Amino acid sequence: QKEVEQDPGPLSVPEGAIVSLNCTYSNSAFQYFMWYRQYSRKGPELLMYTYSSGNKEDGRFTAQVDKSSKYISLFIRDSQPSDSATYLCAMSAQGYSSASKIIFGSGTRLSIRP
Amino acid sequence: GAVVSQHPSRVICKSGTSVKIECRSLDFQATTMFWYRQFPKQSLMLMATSNEGSKATYEQGVEKDKFLINHASLTLSTLTVTSAHPEDSSFYICSAGLQGRTEAFFGQGTRLTVV
Repeated sequence: QKEVEQDPGPLSVPEGAIVSLNCTYSNSAFQYFMWYRQYSRKGPELLMYTYSSGNKEDGRFTAQVDKSSKYISLFIRDSQPSDSATYLCAMSAQGYSSASKIIFGSGTRLSIRP
Repeated sequence: GAVVSQHPSRVICKSGTSVKIECRSLDFQATTMFWYRQFPKQSLMLMATSNEGSKATYEQGVEKDKFLINHASLTLSTLTVTSAHPEDSSFYICSAGLQGRTEAFFGQGTRLTVV
């Protein structure tokens, strides 16, 4: 069993729709949760990070963590064509400090149709 | 923001040859650098963690004699794929980190094709 499971998609939605991206995990030691966005042939860029359970909002993006279910989500409101990319969930037991070991999901390819 | 430069962005080499990939932190000193490999439609798989001035720590299943990592300075880490084979063809990405900083900074990746 993989430590982090993520539906690879592809997921295609019309512009303006609300997008829901999800990951499940098996390692109870994970405390730090992140979402990265990766454009084709580029390195990932950090979108959001949260610690333990709860919600965090940043503009059109909301990250949710439910540690009891080992389930995390990223919601994108008012989706735009420029949001089209691969979204990777990531988590760490050590911290979201950049010096910590991070485990990534497989990524979900998202396409926003104009 | 901090910039990590990875070079080359694409490389094609013949089977049996060695290829070196460089990862540089341009405007900060990276205490730790990570090397990942990403196959099409798959996740970033951590290969090894390197700290400046010490030997790299390799993940299980990664051959340290095949994937040589050198982190000689706080701004440069190199990954050398030795005796490359077609199955080594992949997207290799480095990230550089600094203790206490939240964000890990990724290079733009290197597409390696072994023919």
